[in-house]
Amino acid sequence: DVKVTQSSRYLVKRTGEKVFLECVQDMDHENMFWYRQDPGLGLRLIYFSYDVKMKEKGDIPEGYSVSREKKERFSLILESASTNQTSMYLCASSLTTGNEKLFFGSGTQLSVL
Amino acid sequence: EDQVTQSPEALRLQEGESSSLNCSYTVSGLRGLFWYRQDPGKGPEFLFTLYSAGEEKEKERLKATLTKKESFLHITAPKPEDSATYLCAVQAGGSYIPTFGRGTSLIVHP
Repeated sequence: DVKVTQSSRYLVKRTGEKVFLECVQDMDHENMFWYRQDPGLGLRLIYFSYDVKMKEKGDIPEGYSVSREKKERFSLILESASTNQTSMYLCASSLTTGNEKLFFGSGTQLSVL
Repeated sequence: EDQVTQSPEALRLQEGESSSLNCSYTVSGLRGLFWYRQDPGKGPEFLFTLYSAGEEKEKERLKATLTKKESFLHITAPKPEDSATYLCAVQAGGSYIPTFGRGTSLIVHP
C-alpha cells in the first residue's frame, strides 16, 4: 500500500515563526497536494504539484508557499505563522493526472499561539 | 458557492439501524465521484470511485450509488466501528482536482 508520511502529528508555533511541514510518499506518485481541514469548512486545497519543481495554487494559497525538489517530497511553508493558520494540515498524493484517487497522510495539527 | 453538498452534517444511529448519506453536486462534466472515510485524528481513507449514473459499488456494509445529481452512501446494519466522518469529492470539467464536501459525521451507538 501507498504510504504518505507527514513529519509531525502535533506542532505548536509562535506567531511570526517560519514553519515547515514535510510530506513524503513512497510510491512514485506524480501528484502531491496540501489541504487544510477546519471544523465546518471541510477540506480546502492550499497548493498542489504535478511534477518536481512544479506547483499550482489551490483555493487558499495566501500565507503559504510550497517546495517540491524531489518527486517523493512536498513541503508546505508558512512564511510568518499567524493564529488563523491554526488548523489540521493534510498531505495527499495520487498516481497520475486523471487518476485522482488520493492517498492521505495522517495529518499535522498545527497550533499557532 | 458549494459545488458539493453533503447531508446530513451529523447522523446518529443505533447498531443495526440502516440509513443513507447524501452527496449532491452541481457540476458539469462529472469525471468521477469519490467517497472517503475519515477516523478522528487520521487522514481520509479512500472507499469508492463512481464514474457514471447508475453505477454502484459495494464494500462490506457500505454501498455507494450515483445519479446525475447526487450520490448516496447506504449503510446496512451498521456497527459501532462504522462511526467516522464520510467525505464526498467530485472531479469535473477540465480540472483534475477533486472538490470535497464538508462531510457527514456518523456515530453508531451499540
